Amino acid sequence: GESVGLHLPTLSVQEGDNSIINCAYSNSASDYFIWYKQESGKGPQFIIDIRSNMDKRQGQRVTVLLNKTVKHLSLQIAATQPGDSAVYFCAENTAYGGSQGNLIFGKGTKLSVKP
Amino acid sequence: EPEVTQTPSHQVTQMGQEVILRCVPISNHLYFYWYRQILGQKVEFLVSFYNNEISEKSEIFDDQFSVERPDGSNFTLKIRSTKLEDSAMYFCASSLQLPYEQYFGPGTRLTVT
Repeated sequence: GESVGLHLPTLSVQEGDNSIINCAYSNSASDYFIWYKQESGKGPQFIIDIRSNMDKRQGQRVTVLLNKTVKHLSLQIAATQPGDSAVYFCAENTAYGGSQGNLIFGKGTKLSVKP
Repeated sequence: EPEVTQTPSHQVTQMGQEVILRCVPISNHLYFYWYRQILGQKVEFLVSFYNNEISEKSEIFDDQFSVERPDGSNFTLKIRSTKLEDSAMYFCASSLQLPYEQYFGPGTRLTVT
């Protein structure tokens, strides 16, 4: 079946550096992707999304890149701050087969920011 | 800023008991979802709900599970006869459009003993 996976389970960066969190997906029919941030004891917090007709989207201090050729998604965080420390999940959705909103989540990457 | 709320934050129940988890989605959202996350594992989709009926459900969402929107603001998940393996964090989410920008609540930690 389809799956979403992450290359790096943990990432440690220095405060002020840029962070890059990667995600590989296996379903080429997936057409919508979301990045979520989850802090300890809290629910996933929406960060940014991207549709398959785009290859880049920018938000405040975050950029998502989508490479459909190699089925790869990345989240870039500029000037990483201690408050960015959390687990980051990518999730995908495919309209193939009449999917009605089923988000498939990856395992998550833990980002640790050193002051 | 509007947010999804969930109650209770923690529910402890005995095996075989019924539990109802409650959610108040964002007020103008039309699509509602339940997900669960077993400790240390991925977030897993359970069910999506629109126009007062289930749109899609996963294999996890068997006959022991049901969802309801009893009024204009609440969205509930009922587990009829809880099992030990139902212990998890249960997240409610809502979106204005399908499947875009799903916003999650803080979760209910269900512990089945």
